Amino acid sequence: EPEVTQTPSHQVTQMGQEVILRCVPISNHLYFYWYRQILGQKVEFLVSFYNNEISEKSEIFDDQFSVERPDGSNFTLKIRSTKLEDSAMYFCASIAGPPGTSENNEQFFGPGTRLTVL
Amino acid sequence: AQTVTQSQPEMSVQEAETVTLSCTYDTSESNYYLFWYKQPPSRQMILVIRQEAYKQQNATENRFSVNFQKAAKSFSLKISDSQLGDTAMYFCAFMKQGSLRDMRFGAGTRLTVKP
Repeated sequence: EPEVTQTPSHQVTQMGQEVILRCVPISNHLYFYWYRQILGQKVEFLVSFYNNEISEKSEIFDDQFSVERPDGSNFTLKIRSTKLEDSAMYFCASIAGPPGTSENNEQFFGPGTRLTVL
Repeated sequence: AQTVTQSQPEMSVQEAETVTLSCTYDTSESNYYLFWYKQPPSRQMILVIRQEAYKQQNATENRFSVNFQKAAKSFSLKISDSQLGDTAMYFCAFMKQGSLRDMRFGAGTRLTVKP
């Protein structure tokens, strides 16, 4: 069964450093998402991406964050200057077709990257 | 804005028994989708069951079923014949039809199945 993969599984970084979290969505999927989950809290939307551009983003997704699909398979989330409060689990997800349609509305989630900012 | 509320932060159930997890949501939309996701200790997000709001029939998936009350904006998950592997965080989620935006998640319910 196809699956979304994410690397690394755990990233430790110093405050102020840049990190890039990588995701490989399912190959025929067209819509991509990043979510984060601070330990013990709910899953929060960061950004959605379609047709090589950001579709929507939340208030969390400020200028320190960026996303890219550099090569047609990877989907990356970059945090330019990490803060302590960026420590969280980051999930990538993808959907095959337009979200909200009855046939393709399941988001497939990756296993997550645990980011620890020291 | 849509909000999703899970009022039970923690629940426990004996193996083989039935448990119901509650979820309510607030929306002005008429067409939307509701989901229950399971997050085991591995932290992976796994879809358990989904419900289209336009369908009156409650969704079922093996031991998992929902009680969808559209007027009351309620979407509870029933787990029958609970198994130890059902121990996990369970998140209720809402997605507006036709939106490129994300799903809105509830705060989660931690379910422990006891032997």
